[in-house]
Amino acid sequence: GAVVSQHPSRVICKSGTSVKIECRSLDFQATTMFWYRQFPKQSLMLMATSNEGSKATYEQGVEKDKFLINHASLTLSTLTVTSAHPEDSSFYICSARPRPPTGTGTPLNSYEQYFGPGTRLTVT
Amino acid sequence: LAKTTQPISMDSYEGQEVNITCSHNNIATNDYITWYQQFPSQGPRFIIQGYKTKVTNEVASLFIPADRKSSTLSLPRVSLSDTAVYYCLVTDPRNTGKLIFGQGTTLQVKP
Repeated sequence: GAVVSQHPSRVICKSGTSVKIECRSLDFQATTMFWYRQFPKQSLMLMATSNEGSKATYEQGVEKDKFLINHASLTLSTLTVTSAHPEDSSFYICSARPRPPTGTGTPLNSYEQYFGPGTRLTVT
Repeated sequence: LAKTTQPISMDSYEGQEVNITCSHNNIATNDYITWYQQFPSQGPRFIIQGYKTKVTNEVASLFIPADRKSSTLSLPRVSLSDTAVYYCLVTDPRNTGKLIFGQGTTLQVKP
């Protein structure tokens, strides 16, 4: 099946620094990627939708200037947490959706979304 | 996006069948029901998806009644490795692709 990777898998940084997390679709082209954040014992919260070649769409309450998202190619999206603080410590997960085929009768599984393994960010 | 309600937690024993029910009263005509599994410190993993009646794959079955206002994920003969959080989502996969996760059901399988 389709594989999505994230790098790094875990990162520890000092308060005030910026951290970049990469999300790659390894064997398919992803026109759309999504970024989620998950705090301990909580569900995934959608942060933003990233479309290749255009600006990301952020969910309500997510600061776009703090969480910079770049989707420069069909296989790579990056999330940069700027001026990180301890409250930004969380598990960040990306997902990627392949470019759906054109035309009618497209199989439903063409729209399936694939999740990355997640990145554990700890800000000290 | 349709809101879903599922039990917060469930306990089971190895070898038993586990049924997790999800309510989605406001499901739209074009919405599909999708279940994901998540282990600690991992990304969610797709389990099964359906629109109506029954869907079965190698790991689970999904039962959807005619009114589609609820669905039941059935895991046959669970093992310790099935201990995880299970999320029920309702969405039109041909739409934006945005997935809104609810609280999920934490399944604890005991020996």
